Amino acid sequence: QQQVKQSPQSLIVQKGGISIINCAYENTAFDYFPWYQQFPGKGPALLIAIRPDVSEKKEGRFTISFNKSAKQFSLHIMDSQPGDSATYFCAADYTGGFKTIFGAGTRLFVKA
Amino acid sequence: NAGVTQTPKFQVLKTGQSMTLQCAQDMNHNSMYWYRQDPGMGLRLIYYSASEGTTDKGEVPNGYNVSRLNKREFSLRLESAAPSQTSVYFCASSKTGKGSNQPQHFGDGTRLSIL
Repeated sequence: QQQVKQSPQSLIVQKGGISIINCAYENTAFDYFPWYQQFPGKGPALLIAIRPDVSEKKEGRFTISFNKSAKQFSLHIMDSQPGDSATYFCAADYTGGFKTIFGAGTRLFVKA
Repeated sequence: NAGVTQTPKFQVLKTGQSMTLQCAQDMNHNSMYWYRQDPGMGLRLIYYSASEGTTDKGEVPNGYNVSRLNKREFSLRLESAAPSQTSVYFCASSKTGKGSNQPQHFGDGTRLSIL
């Protein structure tokens, strides 16, 4: 019940295309869903986050879509660029909690 | 502003050796965390410290100990290293307190190989 399932494991997208990464969770107590971006040799860094009271959040080319009833959320990267090539982790947490649950990660490669 | 600093960046140990990974943050954060990252398994929480003076087990605590030395520093110790502990270790911190969610800020990791 604590798992966050992330797919796909890897993704190759042409420059200018849309990258889509999906995540699903079980625990309905989760109320904070961040996405982290990790470049090789670096630690993960927060990219964008959403709470379940909204269905979508957009920051530049990055959009989170959230479906509370299905317990699913996804990251869309519009106009994908080679510089977006990285590993992306979805995560789930709950207010007052200290144990963020991370998905297994998606390695994105954007072809120039 | 350095953020979260981890030392060392790389280390090779022999089975049975001991070692302490160091972590310090300069953001005045309350909470600190230690994770390990293995291929295909995401980030798994080893131990965390919700606030200065407290530590708690995470998902995979066996074989590790931690010390929250002060608000800034949180160390991870391997008492008797095993090959299964070969991994990349990340320290993170957050401003999290009860009733709030704040993102975690990560260091750049320690790459540990145990032969």
